Amino acid sequence: EVQLVESGGGLVQPGRSMKLSCAASGFTFSNYGMAWVRQAPTKGLEWVATISYDGSSTYYRDSVKGRFTISRDNAKSTLYLQMNSLRSEDTATYYCTRIHTGFAYWGQGTLVTVSS
Amino acid sequence: DTVLTQSPALAVSPGERVSISCRASEGVNSYMHWYQQKPGQQPKLLIYKASNLASGVPARFSGSGSGTDFTLTIDPVEADDTATYFCQQSWNDPWTFGGGTKLELK
Repeated sequence: EVQLVESGGGLVQPGRSMKLSCAASGFTFSNYGMAWVRQAPTKGLEWVATISYDGSSTYYRDSVKGRFTISRDNAKSTLYLQMNSLRSEDTATYYCTRIHTGFAYWGQGTLVTVSS
Repeated sequence: DTVLTQSPALAVSPGERVSISCRASEGVNSYMHWYQQKPGQQPKLLIYKASNLASGVPARFSGSGSGTDFTLTIDPVEADDTATYFCQQSWNDPWTFGGGTKLELK
């Protein structure tokens, strides 16, 4: 069974940093591209970043370019999202997803609240 | 960015057929996918590449369309289908989602 378990969310002040992790199991992690998708409270879904199966290629939405970094450790089957210079508009539940013609599997999400 | 437009809400009775539409501001070939999100839960993939049923999804769900106009159909609707349904395209960068259609049962 595919499982994606996010961690690392919480309350953080504007301008500070936070790192999210996603532990994957139930499939060969190194075979799949992965992504982070976020959802602001009571809002819709927004793609944040994608990383290729081997980590050689990364893609970001414009609003997080230069602030967020997606990475992966295939030996640990873990996906990461380093978030710097956080803003109030980054407040959202962040989902780890496995890509395969769409976002095929989703974690339960971790809530990031950016507030002073 | 490719804007995906969905109707905000629909209300149907159990046993009926419902169609949820998604219109793209530019062509997305067949790279349109549909997700179901129930309150307090993560989204779940229902349909990928316009018309392909994801693993474990009941055959009551189906998808159609290409280019700019796509439809998710549920037939027949069951009480458990109460949820918000999102379309998402992966043809144009950045990948974008529709605003979601909230399906309520009468």
